[in-house]
Amino acid sequence: QVQLQESGPGLVKPSETLSLTCTVSGGSISSYYWNWIRQPAGKGLEWIGRFYSTYSTNYNPSLKSRVTMSVDTSKNQFSLKLSSVTAADTAVYYCARAPRSTAALAVWGRGTPVTVSS
Amino acid sequence: DIQMTQSPSTLSASVGDRVTITCRASQSISSWLAWYQQKPGKAPKLLIYKASNLESGVPSRFSGSGSGTEFTLTISSLQPDDFGTYYCQQYNNDWDTFGQGTKLEIK
Repeated sequence: QVQLQESGPGLVKPSETLSLTCTVSGGSISSYYWNWIRQPAGKGLEWIGRFYSTYSTNYNPSLKSRVTMSVDTSKNQFSLKLSSVTAADTAVYYCARAPRSTAALAVWGRGTPVTVSS
Repeated sequence: DIQMTQSPSTLSASVGDRVTITCRASQSISSWLAWYQQKPGKAPKLLIYKASNLESGVPSRFSGSGSGTEFTLTISSLQPDDFGTYYCQQYNNDWDTFGQGTKLEIK
C-alpha cells in the first residue's frame, strides 16, 4: 500500500525559502498527479499546486510566483519550494497523490508543520 | 477563480440521522468535485470523487450527487465515527479550490 511522508525543516526564517520533500513508498511516482496542500492552524485547506511532469504543472495563482515543484523519480520523491516566506505561510503542509483518471486526492501524507519565524 | 461555498458551516446531528451538506460553485465545474472528511490532527480522507463516485473502502452510507454548480454530500444514517470537518474540492481547471468546510458534531 502506497504511503507518503513529508519531511523538511519545521522552522523557516522570514524571506527565506521553504523546502519540503514527500517520499513515496510502496508505489511508483510515475503516472500520477502530485499535489501540495496546506492548512493554517484552525483554518481550511488551501491547494498549492500540482505536478505531473516538467511540462505539466499547475500552481495556485496567489502563490505561483514563489512556488516550484519537482519530482525525483530515482529517489521516489516529490518536492516543494516556496520562496520569500512570511508568517502567512505558517501551516501544516500535506502532499497528496491523485490518479490521472479521477484527479481527486486519494492518498495523503500525514502532514508536516512549518512555522515561519525569526 | 472558482469559489466553493459550503453550507452549513456547522452541523449538529444525532446518530441515525440523515445528514446533507451542500457545496455550490461560482461557475460550472461539470462533475469535477470531490468530498473529504478530516478529523482533528489528521490528514483529509477522500470520500467521493467525480461528484458521485464512492472511493474504495468508504462506507456506503456516504453518497454524493450533483453537477454543474450545486452538489450534495449525504450521510444516510449518521454514525458516531462520522464526526469531523467535511470539505468539498473542485478540480475542473488548472486551479483547484476547496470549500471553507462544514464541521459536523454528533449530539
